[in-house]
Amino acid sequence: DAGITQSPRHKVTETGTPVTLRCHQTENHRYMYWYRQDPGHGLRLIHYSYGVKDTDKGEVSDGYSVSRSKTEDFLLTLESATSSQTSVYFCAISEFTSGLAGVGRGQNEQFFGPGTRLTVL
Amino acid sequence: GQNIDQPTEMTATEGAIVQINCTYQTSGFNGLFWYQQHAGEAPTFLSYNVLDGLEEKGRFSSFLSRSKGYSYLLLKELQMKDSASYLCAIPGGQNFVFGPGTRLSVLP
Repeated sequence: DAGITQSPRHKVTETGTPVTLRCHQTENHRYMYWYRQDPGHGLRLIHYSYGVKDTDKGEVSDGYSVSRSKTEDFLLTLESATSSQTSVYFCAISEFTSGLAGVGRGQNEQFFGPGTRLTVL
Repeated sequence: GQNIDQPTEMTATEGAIVQINCTYQTSGFNGLFWYQQHAGEAPTFLSYNVLDGLEEKGRFSSFLSRSKGYSYLLLKELQMKDSASYLCAIPGGQNFVFGPGTRLSVLP
């Protein structure tokens, strides 16, 4: 299994408080991703990183910020948590960008961390 | 952009064969992935198809038709441990787009 850990694994917090989730990898993969998973919506991309200090927004980025100061760590911050941010958060890593997958270029699966279950009361 | 559709739920009997379908629309095709996700766990990679046809891997096979925007995952000799959600995903730019997932329940 790819070496990916997430912390904390579970967190309960109150509306309006800041929350930071950490993703740590030991694979030295360039690309890292934060998803949230909710019933009826599947996995939705929040932010991703294509290198140290290089990040970009995903489909559901409002209310979230990220930082990547080292290859191995990707932090997700909820500036002021809301009940709508109650979810399961998954970090993922990949060696290459998905856009480079395809015929003659190999596959580029994403490997997922164990997830963080966040409850905002 | 990308759009992916899968059936929400399926039920099958232990020992049987089940086919889970995935239809997609995308402006540029870079392959299709299938993931398995047990309840409360992370998704894990199952298969990757980039050319038309069937890819077999033990009890699991995955099929792709690029012209039809269609893929399926075939699970043979179903076991209770195959009860899980199955997600198809297609690369889009620098990230993946995931389908909503199909929850498979295997009954004794």
